[in-house]
Amino acid sequence: DTAVSQTPKYLVTQMGNDKSIKCEQNLGHDTMYWYKQDSKKFLKIMFSYNNKELIINETVPNRFSPKSPDKAHLNLHINSLELGDSAVYFCASSQTSGSVSEQFFGPGTRLTVL
Amino acid sequence: GENVEQHPSTLSVQEGDSAVIKCTYSDSASNYFPWYKQELGKGPQLIIDIRSNVGEKKDQRIAVTLNKTAKHFSLHITETQPEDSAVYFCAASSWNAGNMLTFGGGTRLMVKP
Repeated sequence: DTAVSQTPKYLVTQMGNDKSIKCEQNLGHDTMYWYKQDSKKFLKIMFSYNNKELIINETVPNRFSPKSPDKAHLNLHINSLELGDSAVYFCASSQTSGSVSEQFFGPGTRLTVL
Repeated sequence: GENVEQHPSTLSVQEGDSAVIKCTYSDSASNYFPWYKQELGKGPQLIIDIRSNVGEKKDQRIAVTLNKTAKHFSLHITETQPEDSAVYFCAASSWNAGNMLTFGGGTRLMVKP
């Protein structure tokens, strides 16, 4: 009965590779997000997406792109991976319904770029 | 954009004592202030939140206060227990910012038995 799930939990890859992280939510929410948590535990928003609008944090490199096959999924694609991309990536979801509402987070994906 | 600062970065208390974590925000348009608890190897979990039309909210041992004029909000945990040990994050959000959360830097709370 997991609310927000992510796969894989761990991802180890070489510099220059392209990789994807999958996220699924079974809460019926209309908005999904990706956050990055660096080695100092600082959490930063990367994207906010619903079926109408994608909002991108201006600091996110264009090597990162979210892709949503349907309302319950928001995958994160990363091209040409760099050492600095190593972090824990969290997916989250919420039901916006015209007002700010609580976000539920997934368990995270630890990405290590060698 | 929004900037959220959180203090202290680490907090050590004795079991049974109270713990207080404070945050300030910069954007007066922010109207939603959640607090998250993150345990080792897990995602952040919402423990309490407050909206800008409320000054205080309490849920058992946890309470949050909001001062909109001063743009600061605080988390209060009473009768702390060892299982309260975790990293706590405050955050701020507004509808006109796409509902995206801006997080504080986190507070590592250690409750000593």
